[in-house]
Amino acid sequence: QVQLVESGGGVVQPGRSLRLSCAASGFTFSRYGMYWVRQAPGKGPECVAVISNDGGNQYYADSVEGRFTISRDNSKNTLFLQMISLRPDDTAMYYCSVEIHGGTFDYWGQGTLVTVSS
Amino acid sequence: QSTLTQPRSVSGSPGQSVTISCIGTSSDIGTYNYVSWYQQYPGKAPQLLIYDVYQRPSGVPDRFSGSKSGNTASLTISGLQADDEADYYCCSYATRSFVFGTATKVTVL
Repeated sequence: QVQLVESGGGVVQPGRSLRLSCAASGFTFSRYGMYWVRQAPGKGPECVAVISNDGGNQYYADSVEGRFTISRDNSKNTLFLQMISLRPDDTAMYYCSVEIHGGTFDYWGQGTLVTVSS
Repeated sequence: QSTLTQPRSVSGSPGQSVTISCIGTSSDIGTYNYVSWYQQYPGKAPQLLIYDVYQRPSGVPDRFSGSKSGNTASLTISGLQADDEADYYCCSYATRSFVFGTATKVTVL
């Protein structure tokens, strides 16, 4: 069965960096696009980054453009999100998700919590 | 970031049907059929219920159905059950981005 396991979250001061990872299993990782989706406390989800199956194309939400970088290692079935210049409004649960059907967040991991606070 | 508009809450008795509306614009729901719905229990990750407006992934009961008319999508839950009590979100593709709805809390009376 599809399994997505995020890691790398934690408490970080404003302006600092953090790198999230998502280990994927149960499907052919290199065939599918992947997403990072975040959800601030009490808010709806927000898709912050998308990467194509081969890593050749990436898209970002305006709120993170220039600060976040999505990447993947298909040889290790792992998705990454490098976050720099973190701000308090980046505080959220961060989920990775796989796009089995076009334009759909088919499966989600359990999430990793990022808290940006001084 | 714009959001799709959903009612804050809907409720119904066991066995009844409830419908959640999701109002977008001609830039998202009105143009694309990449409309999906997610169920989220407290403290858990969202789970896919409906994709491509009305398609159900395997394992999702046919009590859940989706539709779309113009700029508005809808999710109907028929034969309401106690474990349907959760938050529900709609989502639409919107040209190089996605827009989610505000949560609708379904309460089973």
